[in-house]
Amino acid sequence: DAKTTQPNSMESNEEEPVHLPCNHSTISGTDYIHWYRQLPSQGPEYVIHGLTSNVNNRMASLAIAEDRKSSTLILHRATLRDAAVYYCILSGKTSYDKVIFGPGTSLSVIP
Amino acid sequence: NAGVTQTPKFRILKIGQSMTLQCTQDMNHNYMYWYRQDPGMGLKLIYYSVGAGITDKGEVPNGYNVSRSTTEDFPLRLELAAPSQTSVYFCASWSHKNTGELFFGEGSRLTVL
Repeated sequence: DAKTTQPNSMESNEEEPVHLPCNHSTISGTDYIHWYRQLPSQGPEYVIHGLTSNVNNRMASLAIAEDRKSSTLILHRATLRDAAVYYCILSGKTSYDKVIFGPGTSLSVIP
Repeated sequence: NAGVTQTPKFRILKIGQSMTLQCTQDMNHNYMYWYRQDPGMGLKLIYYSVGAGITDKGEVPNGYNVSRSTTEDFPLRLELAAPSQTSVYFCASWSHKNTGELFFGEGSRLTVL
């Protein structure tokens, strides 16, 4: 199964950028990288996904390393509402049809 | 669209009882998943399905069963409930595993006493 590793926790000051790293050294060439986040007492929600190129949407940016063995989720200006657990997952050949979540990174935002 | 709907939202079971958690999606998604989340922990995959009539085990399938007779429905059956099954259960679906968005239900909180 596709494996990702993330730091257990991170802190950020409000209105500052946040860079959340994810390592996926066993990624295959056809695996997609997805990011989800889970706010307290809610189900996970989609943030962003990509294959090779960097991606931007209204919520965040995804920076993918050239060798694709790591990626970084970038929140441009952290708000208190961004305090959540962030999960980096892979889908594709390595994981077949399973979608496996790791422990994720718990992000705290300091006012 | 309602998205992914789970019922019940809350349930208390006695040890040894059985029950079914219902999951329905109205987006015509082929892929559906059941996860459990223990307090302070991440999501663990219980079972998944890639289409009607096809199911497979995830990371923690023991004590659970599933069926997928239609595209819309993916019920999770707990047989002989145990305290270790106390958890929040999430159902999810997506249209395409690589490029789609994984949609989650609101969760079902189960307590086994």
